[in-house]
Amino acid sequence: RKEVEQDPGPFNVPEGATVAFNCTYSNSASQSFFWYRQDCRKEPKLLMSVYSSGNEDGRFTAQLNRASQYISLLIRDSKLSDSATYLCVVKGRRTYKYIFGTGTRLKVLA
Amino acid sequence: GAGVSQSPSNKVTEKGKDVELRCDPISGHTALYWYRQSLGQGLEFLIYFQGNSAPDKSGLPSDRFSAERTGGSVSTLTIQRTQQEDSAVYLCASSLVSGTADTQYFGPGTRLTVL
Repeated sequence: RKEVEQDPGPFNVPEGATVAFNCTYSNSASQSFFWYRQDCRKEPKLLMSVYSSGNEDGRFTAQLNRASQYISLLIRDSKLSDSATYLCVVKGRRTYKYIFGTGTRLKVLA
Repeated sequence: GAGVSQSPSNKVTEKGKDVELRCDPISGHTALYWYRQSLGQGLEFLIYFQGNSAPDKSGLPSDRFSAERTGGSVSTLTIQRTQQEDSAVYLCASSLVSGTADTQYFGPGTRLTVL
């Protein structure tokens, strides 16, 4: 089993739609969680960290479920510019290694 | 301010040649990571540097791969006797402090093609 698993998609959604991705992780000792965005042929860029209580940044909401060992990303009112691959990243407490999922591809259609 | 820079942005080489990839991290960042990303794949950890500590080389796929970090700043990833399977994007990232939840900032990557 992979340490971090994501549905590769693609998720094809119309503009204005709400879309959600999940990411599961296998190490229950994981402590830090992130969502990164990667555009085609570009480097990953931090979208948001995921906090235990859940957090929101504009149209983006991230949630953490430790009991079921998954994190989620909800995008409301999708824009064409949201089209990208979304990478789930997990890190343990006493480790410097960031474990990346293979990403979920989102296409927002006009 | 300046972000992580990498050079070259693209490198095409012939099988069997050596290549050197360079990473210039954000000033003051003590942690530096090298990753490899093959087409349609996730990021594969290669090597990690933290300050003056011994690097973690556990992700290097073979002894043809090596890396160094001079003066706690610039890092060079060297691939000797390149093979076609080495073709990938090589990404460098740096962070302020490791061992915490510090954000990694990525460079634009070097796209390596081995013919």
